Amino acid sequence: GNSVTQMEGPVTLSEEAFLTINCTYTATGYPSLFWYVQYPGEGLQLLLKATKADDKGSNKGFEATYRKETTSFHLEKGSVQVSDSAVYFCALSSSGGSYIPTFGRGTSLIVHP
Amino acid sequence: NAGVMQNPRHLVRRRGQEARLRCSPMKGHSHVYWYRQLPEEGLKFMVYLQKENIIDESGMPKERFSAEFPKEGPSILRIQQVVRGDSAAYFCASSPSSGRAGTDTQYFGPGTRLTVL
Repeated sequence: GNSVTQMEGPVTLSEEAFLTINCTYTATGYPSLFWYVQYPGEGLQLLLKATKADDKGSNKGFEATYRKETTSFHLEKGSVQVSDSAVYFCALSSSGGSYIPTFGRGTSLIVHP
Repeated sequence: NAGVMQNPRHLVRRRGQEARLRCSPMKGHSHVYWYRQLPEEGLKFMVYLQKENIIDESGMPKERFSAEFPKEGPSILRIQQVVRGDSAAYFCASSPSSGRAGTDTQYFGPGTRLTVL
């Protein structure tokens, strides 16, 4: 079956630091990969996505590259801001899972001024 | 264009009572998904519905839980005889299509936080 593994948090950084949140997956079929962000007290919002190998998703300074050879989709940002503090979820959907998204456990990011 | 709406945002029930959670999808969306988020855990899929049809309920507990998405009105997730272990955040998401291409984005509501005393 499908599964997503994310690095455990919390990840604590100072403002303007470089961010990496690791995500690896196992899937049947050819998955699409997603990063969602959840701000306190809110629902999830799509941050970026990639639908095929070597695609790079990007949004608001965040990037992630679909690496089929390493089954990874790591999230990166060159310079984080306090407003980026949130929980980040890696997810995938594929034909093997009937296209029902599978989510990782989430990684909490805390950015200090 | 209003987003996905859920109500109530917070719901407190005593053990044995019923909980009804409502979800109104985005305008034009006919596909609804329900997820449960337990503390320190990710989202767990519960059920996928289209208008008047349950498409996939593989994540729903076999007892006490039911869901519907009538032709008119919001989708309802119903939990009968709640227990403390049902305390969680319940999120609804909608999409415009079935996502068979695997690329459709899901749009999430703000969630209902259920507390069972």
